Amino acid sequence: DAGVTQTPRHEVAEKGQTIILKCEPVSGHNDLFWYRQTKIQGLELLSYFRSKSLMEDGGAFKDRFKAEMLNSSFSTLKIQPTEPKDSAVYLCASSQDWGQNTLYFGAGTRLSVL
Amino acid sequence: GQQVQQSPASLVLQEGENAELQCNFSSTATQLQWFYQSPGGSLVSLLSNPSGTKHTGRLTSTTVTKERRSSLHISSSQTTDSGTYLCAIDPNTNKVVFGTGTRLQVLP
Repeated sequence: DAGVTQTPRHEVAEKGQTIILKCEPVSGHNDLFWYRQTKIQGLELLSYFRSKSLMEDGGAFKDRFKAEMLNSSFSTLKIQPTEPKDSAVYLCASSQDWGQNTLYFGAGTRLSVL
Repeated sequence: GQQVQQSPASLVLQEGENAELQCNFSSTATQLQWFYQSPGGSLVSLLSNPSGTKHTGRLTSTTVTKERRSSLHISSSQTTDSGTYLCAIDPNTNKVVFGTGTRLQVLP
């Protein structure tokens, strides 16, 4: 079975650009999470979907970050406009039902904003 | 305060030694999972163990739910085990709460 797939693996953006990161969860999984990871802040939750419905967004990230899940097999994270402080690794994770099952992470997208 | 505390924060071992990592949490948890992250890498699931004892390869996890603690034992450590070990719980809210992490370095 395919795991969680994230594209692109690396992204370089100029300040002010719009970038879209993509995630394909494991087939059949109902829970999907987006995280941002930096050395200083560690793992920060950006969004959580259950059965395509947005259950939680990471409050502090609302203004420029928008995650969507238009179908059960694909999610996007849009950052608009990008700022240098957004440079980080963005991770997507999925689970059939996190409260009862294993959570699987994708390889991540490393974003550099110049 | 921090819901999930891990100890030690860092650990240095000689290859072949065993490692014992601890995870303590302040709320009841319906799910607990251990992850490994190599430097520059993503999170890899090691074990899901909300209660009891589980083994996989050189890894053994024991979770005592009533005492809100879990341990991860790595036997015969190898240099390739070096990295960060994270535990994460679901405090019955479907949220993922990560621990503070243990950074392991195994020397040849």
